[in-house]
This record gives sequence, C-alpha cells and structure tokens, in this order.
Amino acid sequence: AQSVTQLDSQVPVFEEAPVELRCNYSSSVSVYLFWYVQYPNQGLQLLLKYLSGSTLVESINGFEAEFNKSQTSFHLRKPSVHISDTAEYFCAVINNYGQNFVFGPGTRLSVLP
Amino acid sequence: KAGVTQTPRYLIKTRGQQVTLSCSPISGHRSVSWYQQTPGQGLQFLFEYFSETQRNKGNFPGRFSGRQFSNSRSEMNVSTLELGDSALYLCASSQNSGVGNEQFFGPGTRLTVL
Repeated sequence: AQSVTQLDSQVPVFEEAPVELRCNYSSSVSVYLFWYVQYPNQGLQLLLKYLSGSTLVESINGFEAEFNKSQTSFHLRKPSVHISDTAEYFCAVINNYGQNFVFGPGTRLSVLP
Repeated sequence: KAGVTQTPRYLIKTRGQQVTLSCSPISGHRSVSWYQQTPGQGLQFLFEYFSETQRNKGNFPGRFSGRQFSNSRSEMNVSTLELGDSALYLCASSQNSGVGNEQFFGPGTRLTVL
C-alpha cells in the first residue's frame, strides 16, 4: 500500500515570494504522482502530474514539481506566488496498477499581501 | 461543456438513516470515482465505476455502496448512517479508467449526520 506525507499543514508566504510545498511518499511498487488544488468552497482541480518521462513537470499557472525517486519526493514549487494561489494543495499517488489512489493530508497555502 | 454536477449540494440526516448522493459526469466521460473528505481523515478514495462496473474499491465498510447507470451517471448510497459519516463527498469523472486519465471533480455534497 502507498502512503503520502505532507509535512507542512499550513504555509503562510508573502505575495511575490517563492514557495515550496513538500510531499513525500512510500510505496513498494512504482507510482504515479499528482498535485491537486482546492480553492475555497470548490472541488479539486488537477494542477500537474508525473506519469513518466521528464522528472520535472510544470503547470500552466507557474507551478512545477520534480519527481525524485531516490528521495521519494514530489515537492511543488512556484518562484513567485500571487494572492490568488491561496488554496489547499493535495499531493496524491497511485500505484502502477492503477489501484489505491491515496491523498496526502493537504497543505493550506496562504498568500499574504 | 458542463462540468461534473453533484446533487444535492447539502444534506442533513440523522443517525440510522440512509442517504443517496448523485453524480452526473462530464458528457462523454465513462469513469466516475467517489471520495470522502473529512478534517480528520483527509481525502479518501471510496470506489470507481467504469461502464457500469466497479473497477476499484477503497477501504470502507459495506454500508457504502454505489452504482453506475448506462448514461454514466452514478449514485452513492450510505446505509445506517453514523456520526462519523459527516463529510464532503466528492465525485470525479474521467474519459476512461486508468492513471493517465485526468479526473475532473465536482463541487461535492456536504453531508451532515446528527
């Protein structure tokens, strides 16, 4: 079975500052990795995913994440955040059989003016 | 294209009752997954349906069940409700089953059990 750890439950950061949201996972088999974002009072939206190929994946709104197999991590980064990035961010993994979709506990990003 | 819709958006029930939640996927999507979101347990996968068949199932008791109709709409049923079933229930649809298919989430149904 897989598990996902997001060590930071809350991350406050000032506007235009860089941010990193940490995600670590454990699994006995190969996994695929995802980041989802949940804006206040809305459902989840896929931010980016790693299935194969380049270990650095990017989203259309400036976020990027790098899959590091040796460190079993998939940290999410953005060089300069906006107020509109305030939301809860979830890291998720699924095994390569397409089973056991597991979410992390989430990190609440608060961007301050 | 209309997004994933879930009805009702809010629901209040009492212990011991049963409840049925509905999810209409994006047109053309054949896979529907259900998730439970609570402050204590976070987001947990309930089950996935594809072409009217349950494909995957999470670790929930048998009180939680679901089904999918030929038009891909899905329902989730919870019988003998417990206080701990209070949660936001999210539905997600994708074109096909499998990890490469992006899931699109609905706004959720907030269930409160008194």
